[in-house]
Amino acid sequence: EAGVTQFPSHSVIEKGQTVTLRCDPISGHDNLYWYRRVMGKEIKFLLHFVKESKQDESGMPNNRFLAERTGGTYSTLKVQPAELEDSGVYFCASSPRQGTYNEQFFGPGTRLTVL
Amino acid sequence: SQQGEEDPQALSIQEGENATMNCSYKTSINNLQWYRQNSGRGLVHLILIRSNEREKHSGRLRVTLDTSKKSSSLLITASRAADTASYFCATGRGAAGNKLTFGGGTRVLVKP
Repeated sequence: EAGVTQFPSHSVIEKGQTVTLRCDPISGHDNLYWYRRVMGKEIKFLLHFVKESKQDESGMPNNRFLAERTGGTYSTLKVQPAELEDSGVYFCASSPRQGTYNEQFFGPGTRLTVL
Repeated sequence: SQQGEEDPQALSIQEGENATMNCSYKTSINNLQWYRQNSGRGLVHLILIRSNEREKHSGRLRVTLDTSKKSSSLLITASRAADTASYFCATGRGAAGNKLTFGGGTRVLVKP
């Protein structure tokens, strides 16, 4: 079974540009999560999808971040326009069921550098 | 301090020794999970302990949870060089305990 995959693995962009990160969860997993770790800080929750619906987006830092999960399969996280403080590692995770305490399966992350 | 704060921040031990790290948190939780991250890789789930459980084992791992003290510990017995990694605790909150709050992690170095 393939794990959670993320693309790209690294992205270097200039301030003001747009970047789109992609996450492919484990097939059949209804829950998809985005987290990020900025330099020197803890891994922070961004949002949670159940299928195509946003269950909880309380961790999204501001309206420059837009997450979508059309069709309930893969998800994208767009940052537009990117700022220097957006640099960090963005993790995606998925888990199979709703309503139970599930382990979350994490992808390798996308390292974003904003210059 | 942050929810899910690990202690110590770094730990260096010899192969074969035991490694113990602690995690403290502030608010009520549904579950607490421990993850490992090898350098440059994703997080790997190690063990989940529910709020009504006190101790759990998985192979060489032993996790305890004390909800009265809002703390947990992870013990790795008979450590191996391959256990070198960062270890994170994460507390699950919300109705399904799915919203994870991570601590800063403990970097463990196991010297051969």
